[in-house]
This record gives sequence, structure tokens and C-alpha cells, in this order.
Amino acid sequence: GENVEQHPSTLSVQEGDSAVIKCTYSDSASNYFPWYKQELGKRPQLIIDIRSNVGEKKDQRIAVTLNKTAKHFSLHITETQPEDSAVYFCAVLSGGSYIPTFGRGTSLIVHP
Amino acid sequence: KAGVTQTPRYLIKTRGQQVTLSCSPISGHRSVSWYQQTPGQGLQFLFEYFSETQRNKGNFPGRFSGRQFSNSRSEMNVSTLELGDSALYLCASSLTLTGQGYEQYFGPGTRLTVT
Repeated sequence: GENVEQHPSTLSVQEGDSAVIKCTYSDSASNYFPWYKQELGKRPQLIIDIRSNVGEKKDQRIAVTLNKTAKHFSLHITETQPEDSAVYFCAVLSGGSYIPTFGRGTSLIVHP
Repeated sequence: KAGVTQTPRYLIKTRGQQVTLSCSPISGHRSVSWYQQTPGQGLQFLFEYFSETQRNKGNFPGRFSGRQFSNSRSEMNVSTLELGDSALYLCASSLTLTGQGYEQYFGPGTRLTVT
């Protein structure tokens, strides 16, 4: 089955800094890569996603890049704010199995 | 538009009992997926239902089962509960099958504690 590695597990930054979280996957047939944000005690929410036919996608301060050859994709958050503090999960969906596999999560802490 | 709802929000059961959790998707969404979230294993896919049929199943024992009704509402059942079943159970709805890459909307979850 699919194997998804997410790093780092914890990321501490100062407000205004950039944050980068990386996920690697194993199945070359994977074609959909969403990122979720989960604040403490709340439900996961999709913040950005990318499909395998696109290399980069941006939405205001958030961007995702995909390297299909190397089988990794990254979440980039610029100008971080305290309200960005949360756990971020990457997920990978294979067009073959249709089973989503999640990374273990990254706890992002933004210090004011 | 109302979001995904789950009932109950909290549940305490003892080992050996069974439990049924309920999920009401966003109106118009036909796919409901279930996930187990634990500190040790993270978010793990249980199964997905679409048009009252289980379409995909994760790597969980047969004690975990589910169903979907004609109005897309879904229930998940866990029989013969074990301590390790203690977790946050999340459901997520989507317009169509998850495999087609449509956005999933998560419910607030049901926190199950097995004693």
C-alpha cells in the first residue's frame, strides 16, 4: 500500500517567518494531494490541494509544490501568524486504490 | 449550507460492548468516508460509502462495519470493543467518490472511550 512520510513532526517559528512542511509518498500512481489544517479540538479542514498534472498551486500565503519524479510535495506558509498554529496533515490519494493515506502530522507553533 | 454533523459527540463504553456512530453529510453530498484518529497512528481510513454501497475499505478488522442510507446518512458500527478502539472517529462527506479528487468536508468527530 501507499506509504506517506511527513516531516518535521514539530515546527516552531517566529511570527512573520516562513514554514515548510514536506511529505514523501511511494505510489507513483498517486494523483491527488490535499493538505489539511486541524486546530486543537476542531475538525480537519482542507486548506489547499494539488493534482498530479500541476507542479505548483498558490492561495494567498499558502502554496503547495509537487515533484512527481521525486515523489514529494511540500506545503509553504509565508508571513506566518499566530492563528496559523495548528497540526497540518498531508494526504495522498491513489487513482488506483481510491484510499487516502495521511501523513502523521506536523505541529506548527507560531510565536508572536 | 449546514456542515457535516456527527452524533454522539462523546461516548464511553466498556470492553466487549458494541457501538453505533452516526454521520449526516452536507446536503447533496453522496460520499461518506470514515476515519479513526489516534495520537499513535494518526488519521487512518476506515471505509467509504457511496450510493449506499461500500466502495473502499481500509485495513481494519471485520469488527468495524458501516452502512449508508438512501438519504446519504451513514452509520458506523464497532462490535466487541477493545481498549485500542478508543479514538476520535471522524466522518467526511464529498460530492462524489474520494478517488475523483473532490474536497472532503469533515465532521466534528465522535470521541469514543473504551474502558
